[in-house]
Amino acid sequence: GEDVEQSLFLSVREGDSSVINCTYTDSSSTYLYWYKQEPGAGLQLLTYIFSNMDMKQDQRLTVLLNKKDKHLSLRIADTQTGDSAIYFCAESGTGRRALTFGSGTRLQVQP
Amino acid sequence: GAVVSQHPSWVICKSGTSVKIECRSLDFQATTMFWYRQFPKQSLMLMATSNEGSKATYEQGVEKDKFLINHASLTLSTLTVTSAHPEDSSFYICSASGGTNGASTDTQYFGPGTRLTVL
Repeated sequence: GEDVEQSLFLSVREGDSSVINCTYTDSSSTYLYWYKQEPGAGLQLLTYIFSNMDMKQDQRLTVLLNKKDKHLSLRIADTQTGDSAIYFCAESGTGRRALTFGSGTRLQVQP
Repeated sequence: GAVVSQHPSWVICKSGTSVKIECRSLDFQATTMFWYRQFPKQSLMLMATSNEGSKATYEQGVEKDKFLINHASLTLSTLTVTSAHPEDSSFYICSASGGTNGASTDTQYFGPGTRLTVL
């Protein structure tokens, strides 16, 4: 079945860039997503990328996709304390609309 | 953007009782709704996929008689946890999609989640 892997924890200083990595196994993945979850809250869609793209930028967020290696990353520029949260990578595939989520990466931003 | 609400946001119940959780799409018609469960410090796991007007499709290992899903209208799906036990305590999150062509191109919008605690 589909599998999505993420590192569990990342700590950065305020103002630095954060890079959160994700790998997936399903070669038929069509969309890849990044969600943010703050404590006790639901999921907030940050951005998504279609599998035929290799980069997408949206303000402070940059998504890089290496389809050959099945590797997705999320770069947050000028990381702020308000960016502290858990970030989930997720994917959906052709004919499969439900999302498969990674385990989440807890980002801690130190002032 | 599209908004999905859930009610209640937090519920505490006694073991053996049933709890109903509502998921509503507020400004769009959701032909498909998904129910996920998230245990503490874990990822979201899909429980079932619900299409309006038809029976839900449950993931392997999810008891359909315990987790009753009803998707009677294009804006409302309900999840009822029957005879709840402490091990059912979890964060339940729904998502809604307004796509009609069944393709992966349809964005899912997530509700804020419902925290269920069974004593």
